[in-house]
Amino acid sequence: DTAVSQTPKYLVTQMGNDKSIKCEQNLGHDTMYWYKQDSKKFLKIMFSYNNKELIINETVPNRFSPKSPDKAHLNLHINSLELGDSAVYFCASSQEGHWLASTDTQYFGPGTRLTVL
Amino acid sequence: QQQVKQSPQSLIVQKGGISIINCAYENTAFDYFPWYQQFPGKGPALLIAIRPDVSEKKEGRFTISFNKSAKQFSLHIMDSQPGDSATYFCAASLSNAGGTSYGKLTFGQGTILTVHP
Repeated sequence: DTAVSQTPKYLVTQMGNDKSIKCEQNLGHDTMYWYKQDSKKFLKIMFSYNNKELIINETVPNRFSPKSPDKAHLNLHINSLELGDSAVYFCASSQEGHWLASTDTQYFGPGTRLTVL
Repeated sequence: QQQVKQSPQSLIVQKGGISIINCAYENTAFDYFPWYQQFPGKGPALLIAIRPDVSEKKEGRFTISFNKSAKQFSLHIMDSQPGDSATYFCAASLSNAGGTSYGKLTFGQGTILTVHP
């Protein structure tokens, strides 16, 4: 009965590799997000999708490409991984219709700890 | 400016004491201020939130105090318990932003709270 799930939980890879993180929510929410939490625990939004449409695209290297096959899934693909990409990546979702008040609770997944060697 | 500044970085409190975490924001257009709680190895979870039309909101042992003129808000945890030991994040957003700010939470830097038994 997990609300927001992410796979894998841990990802260790070499510099230069390409990797993907998957996210699924079973809450029936319309909006999904990707956040990056760095080693100092600072949380910063990367992307958000509403009904498969990209809404927020922060200043993120274009090596990061989100993909939303349907509104329950938002995957994150990272090309040419760099040391600085090491972080915990959180997926989140919220029940927000497009253009409506964005005060709905964001529900976070358990995170994926990415380590680039 | 979209910054939210949070202090202190870490806080140690004895069981039964009051924990106080402060946040200051710059963008006067922010109108939704949630606090998230994060336990080690978990994703953040909404604890309590406030809108600027009230100066205080209380839920159990947790209270948000809001000072609109000073652009500050704080979280008070009464009767702090060891189970409250976690990282706390304040955040702010524009509730009716639409467009590319839609649903965007700007987080503070986080406060690591340790409650000693």
